[in-house]
Amino acid sequence: ETGVTQSPTHLIKTRGQQVTLRCSSQSGHNTVSWYQQALGQGPQFIFQYYREEENGRGNFPPRFSGLQFPNYSSELNVNALELDDSALYLCASSLANRGFNEQFFGPGTRLTVL
Amino acid sequence: SQELEQSPQSLIVQEGKNLTINCTSSKTLYGLYWYKQKYGEGLIFLMMLQKGGEEKSHEKITAKLDEKKQQSSLHITASQPSHAGIYLCGADNSYSGAGSYQLTFGKGTKLSVIP
Repeated sequence: ETGVTQSPTHLIKTRGQQVTLRCSSQSGHNTVSWYQQALGQGPQFIFQYYREEENGRGNFPPRFSGLQFPNYSSELNVNALELDDSALYLCASSLANRGFNEQFFGPGTRLTVL
Repeated sequence: SQELEQSPQSLIVQEGKNLTINCTSSKTLYGLYWYKQKYGEGLIFLMMLQKGGEEKSHEKITAKLDEKKQQSSLHITASQPSHAGIYLCGADNSYSGAGSYQLTFGKGTKLSVIP
């Protein structure tokens, strides 16, 4: 296990609703990245938070937003849910430095939008 | 933007057989990561390659990055049922000067090992 936890593990919502997913990063890590993984696809980068600031964003609309807290845990919020938002949402934590830094992934939250 | 293509999409092998998974990039790779994922679970880091011609091994898994740094392969020797899962290659996509690299992933290769 990586020490990265996510909650909830599963979630079912209906179109138009809002959802909040949570991620607790590994102790000592200051960066959290969020990825969306649709069925049969590789993970796609949503955004990254470094020291409580958004630090890079992928090709996702503004209804995907996030927060990072002083303890470096993080939330991913999705408004106005669409059917295509159904996916496994993964967070990854890391300790930022120049060059290679391994990203430790949590087990994911499976979101189903009906 | 960088794209990673993995082949094959899926693979079924008999236990004990060797196998190779390939990852081809549309751009030069500066950092190539291999991860393993059990269905519906998080990603487990396997190896990271940076230099052209680099090769790394861990237990029965060997990863290589070609000299031109546009293709990587993952080779498993004497496969076991525990090797079953989805193998993903990922590449450093961008770096803002802060935080960590943002990864671009291939679609994955699903490996099944028959006892």
